[in-house]
Amino acid sequence: DAGVTQSPTHLIKTRGQHVTLRCSPISGHKSVSWYQQVLGQGPQFIFQYYEKEERGRGNFPDRFSARQFPNYSSELNVNALLLGDSALYLCASSWTEETQYFGPGTRLLVL
Amino acid sequence: GENVEQHPSTLSVQEGDSAVIKCTYSDSASNYFPWYKQELGKGPQLIIDIRSNVGEKKDQRIAVTLNKTAKHFSLHITETQPEDSAVYFCAASRGALNFGKGTSLLVTP
Repeated sequence: DAGVTQSPTHLIKTRGQHVTLRCSPISGHKSVSWYQQVLGQGPQFIFQYYEKEERGRGNFPDRFSARQFPNYSSELNVNALLLGDSALYLCASSWTEETQYFGPGTRLLVL
Repeated sequence: GENVEQHPSTLSVQEGDSAVIKCTYSDSASNYFPWYKQELGKGPQLIIDIRSNVGEKKDQRIAVTLNKTAKHFSLHITETQPEDSAVYFCAASRGALNFGKGTSLLVTP
């Protein structure tokens, strides 16, 4: 069975640019969550979607947005990138909203 | 919001010894407590989880205990092997996962 897939694997952007990260959940999973992991820290919750509706939002600025599509895949968008946005962005999928399985992440570097 | 504290931050054990990692949480409404293992360059991998209506759960060499009254839970790894070396994260949840800062476990042969 295919696990959670994320694209791209790595990305380099400059300050002020915009980025879109993509996630495909495990087949049959209807919930997708996004997390940011800064080096040396635990993942921090950004968004959770279930059946295409936002179910939760973490303490991140409005520059961060997300959406979930009818096929349950999801996009995370970040506008006006800052150096501090450099991190590993993780997507997790779950059947309900509880047990979450993570993808390999997208490593974003903002220069 | 939920605050999860994890200790120790680093742990070094000899192969075959046991390893224990402890976490505390602040929100008594949290009802789900997973543990993840993260290897270098990879996403976190779920290794075991426990729900608030259970006090202990075991899966081969891995066990987790939960004390709801004290709001703490622990991961126990027995008969450690070099391939257990990784960063381990605890989390507490009633929806979104709130993670601890991680424990870097090194198992030396």
